[in-house]
Amino acid sequence: EAGVAQSPRYKIIEKRQSVAFWCNPISGHATLYWYQQILGQGPKLLIQFQNNGVVDDSQLPKDRFSAERLKGVDSTLKIQPAKLEDSAVYLCASSLALANVLTFGAGSRLTVL
Amino acid sequence: QKEVEQDPGPLSVPEGAIVSLNCTYSNSAFQYFMWYRQYSRKGPELLMYTYSSGNKEDGRFTAQVDKSSKYISLFIRDSQPSDSATYLCAMSAGSNFGNEKLTFGTGTRLTIIP
Repeated sequence: EAGVAQSPRYKIIEKRQSVAFWCNPISGHATLYWYQQILGQGPKLLIQFQNNGVVDDSQLPKDRFSAERLKGVDSTLKIQPAKLEDSAVYLCASSLALANVLTFGAGSRLTVL
Repeated sequence: QKEVEQDPGPLSVPEGAIVSLNCTYSNSAFQYFMWYRQYSRKGPELLMYTYSSGNKEDGRFTAQVDKSSKYISLFIRDSQPSDSATYLCAMSAGSNFGNEKLTFGTGTRLTIIP
């Protein structure tokens, strides 16, 4: 089966600019996650969707981050305006049977200058 | 105190050695314990999945959970250069929708020297 697809793989922007990341989960996976992984740290959950509804966005900095999952399939994560501390890899993951068994994409690496 | 503590390493061992990776945790509600392997510039991939205390073996990999000590381990036997990666422990309180939020350790970077 095809894996979790993410794009772009790499993005470099200046602070205060905006950026958007796209994720296509594994077909049939109802649950989709966005994680932030800062260099040298473990992934931190930003937002979790079940179909197109938000389950958990408690750690999403809502003043600058937004995410949507239209039609319960693809998802986009947007950052506006970006700060230096947003430099990280943004990982998308999806799950099917066991809710805590995640399949991750390769990630989108963001560098904010 | 972090909920999950993991020694970031780096850890370098010669090929063929036994590797021991560990995590400690503070949340007694955690019941599901996972090890993910992350190669450079890739996303994490699930390596081992265990429930509650005990051992689980899969080929060269053995996962151990000691809930009384809040301590989990991953052992790699006959280590190979292809095992060089960052190993992340992860834990959750449940496997059902709504309880499955994963808390990750910081990851241990492992290098196997040929």
